[in-house]
Amino acid sequence: DTGVSQNPRHKITKRGQNVTFRCDPISEHNRLYWYRQTLGQGPEFLTYFQNEAQLEKSRLLSDRFSAERPKGSFSTLEIQRTEQGDSAMYLCASRSSGNEQFFGPGTRLTVL
Amino acid sequence: DQQVKQNSPSLSVQEGRISILNCDYTNSMFDYFLWYKKYPAEGPTFLISISSIKDKNEDGRFTVFLNKSAKHLSLHIVPSQPGDSAVYFCAAHGAGKSTFGDGTTLTVKP
Repeated sequence: DTGVSQNPRHKITKRGQNVTFRCDPISEHNRLYWYRQTLGQGPEFLTYFQNEAQLEKSRLLSDRFSAERPKGSFSTLEIQRTEQGDSAMYLCASRSSGNEQFFGPGTRLTVL
Repeated sequence: DQQVKQNSPSLSVQEGRISILNCDYTNSMFDYFLWYKKYPAEGPTFLISISSIKDKNEDGRFTVFLNKSAKHLSLHIVPSQPGDSAVYFCAAHGAGKSTFGDGTTLTVKP
């Protein structure tokens, strides 16, 4: 399967714990995006990488959120001191030179 | 402020008829626009896009129309098929990122 993969698919955690999600983009794609989606809404942009450089970061991303793409391949999104409001689907997408983004299946986070 | 709006949360059409999904935006600086389709438990998948300098793009049963003066775009699906039943998201891309609407759930009845 050469699509975008995300792990884990589901994560249940207690409030205050840290969580980390991983995204493996399509191998030749140099652009990588993270989004958050809650029920009834569209994906909300969180951050964007071109290769290993983080070029854009939404003001929605509080200090508790950090993302990395150390070698320009896979990316991780970490949420520290999780809150119930962080419960959502976290989507990763990658893109090459075309307009379209290719999305992974997402990681569903539930904070108890 | 919501820069991309899909005002119809749902749409139901009969198989074989035309489905028209609408989207409005506020920022005239977007470079291009896209439509994505999403099935449950999957990420969105790309359907069709249109550059801000075009007013129409067609791909098989799918056509996207862009009216820049009205800041409005629409997706036409004809003929509609039951397999088209999904959530459709409109997205606008500019300054390195895409902004999505909240989606329209399309149901195509056999």
